[in-house]
Amino acid sequence: GQQVMQIPQYQHVQEGEDFTTYCNSSTTLSNIQWYKQRPGGHPVFLIQLVKSGEVKKQKRLTFQFGEAKKNSSLHITATQTTDVGTYFCAAIIYGQNFVFGPGTRLSVLP
Amino acid sequence: DGGITQSPKYLFRKEGQNVTLSCEQNLNHDAMYWYRQDPGQGLRLIYYSQIVNDFQKGDIAEGYSVSREKKESFPLTVTSAQKNPTAFYLCASSIDVGAKTQYFGPGTRLLVL
Repeated sequence: GQQVMQIPQYQHVQEGEDFTTYCNSSTTLSNIQWYKQRPGGHPVFLIQLVKSGEVKKQKRLTFQFGEAKKNSSLHITATQTTDVGTYFCAAIIYGQNFVFGPGTRLSVLP
Repeated sequence: DGGITQSPKYLFRKEGQNVTLSCEQNLNHDAMYWYRQDPGQGLRLIYYSQIVNDFQKGDIAEGYSVSREKKESFPLTVTSAQKNPTAFYLCASSIDVGAKTQYFGPGTRLLVL
């Protein structure tokens, strides 16, 4: 069954609004990675989180790893049309390979 | 120009035919992966290889086969046993397996007619 969930499945925002996607697992994770896939493109690595409670920032993107290492979030401040795409979390469960979440598809209306 | 390449970009196949998708990388990575992506869905692991001459089944290996005779190459064959092969196929590589960044190729869209 699905080990990694992401919500929401879709998100439509007006340009300038904020956006958050959440990644949740019922199992404690070793690490978590985030990828972005533009429409018609391939996934591109954004960041990896390893430590409990870790927060990392990349310009307008803020990534967080939960204290219990079972969830993570990606927050985009003041979205732009270039942010359009699908954001995937990829969880590394101890002793297993990558498990990709189903993704959150972001649309940004100009 | 380093990276990971897949060919062809689009592939059409008649039902009942086997077809092989190419994946090549010049990143000197040990690990390579094949994923399948269906419209509006996430990535599902078909096969992965940690090292030359070794490969492991992923979550949806039935109807697929792979080989890893060279470090740079990890071709995927979609056999006639795969009941629903129409999908977007993505190849990826990483330095080794585990918590490492995966670099993806541009993908091959397979359409069964």
